[in-house]
Amino acid sequence: SQQGEEDPQALSIQEGENATMNCSYKTSINNLQWYRQNSGRGLVHLILIRSNEREKHSGRLRVTLDTSKKSSSLLITASRAADTASYFCAMDQGAQKLVFGQGTRLTINP
Amino acid sequence: DAGVIQSPRHEVTEMGQEVTLRCKPISGHNSLFWYRQTMMRGLELLIYFNNNVPIDDSGMPEDRFSAKMPNASFSTLKIQPSEPRDSAVYFCASSLGSRLNEQFFGPGTRLTVL
Repeated sequence: SQQGEEDPQALSIQEGENATMNCSYKTSINNLQWYRQNSGRGLVHLILIRSNEREKHSGRLRVTLDTSKKSSSLLITASRAADTASYFCAMDQGAQKLVFGQGTRLTINP
Repeated sequence: DAGVIQSPRHEVTEMGQEVTLRCKPISGHNSLFWYRQTMMRGLELLIYFNNNVPIDDSGMPEDRFSAKMPNASFSTLKIQPSEPRDSAVYFCASSLGSRLNEQFFGPGTRLTVL
């Protein structure tokens, strides 16, 4: 099964700056989801964007989806130290299972 | 709701021993997933169930791994015999099984096989 490719693998920024993470995939999807994983914890669902949507917002999160390029981006605005975590995109290809990317490790420096 | 519950949270065992990981999904969810996470391979789907029936076990690495879901509120993942390369964090997740398919993850079981 195909995995999403996430870019960058690691990102370190200063508190207050914006963080952008990208995800690319290979086959068609029903929807694409973003999850966050704090160190030593399980993944937590952040936001879902459907295949017929181009942009979605949730608080400081903004997700875009370009199905023609098979890519998505997650933008976190005005980052905080608590945003330090790994972020994963997950592709819903149907059959109720998700295929996860390798993740981006985000570090917010105070 | 208590969320997805996994036990034990940590397990240290010796090579060759049997290991059983347990999961209680969120009440009312009808899909359950077992994942394995390592630094080298990332997050891998091992098997998933829908309405207690195994749907896709293509991710199970080999016959040493088996999973059961005897009822809607309980699942086990068994490794017998265990090997050092099985060391990983094992996550259980559940979902409503709807079209939107958001998954809720448990805290994971950190398995170390010596």
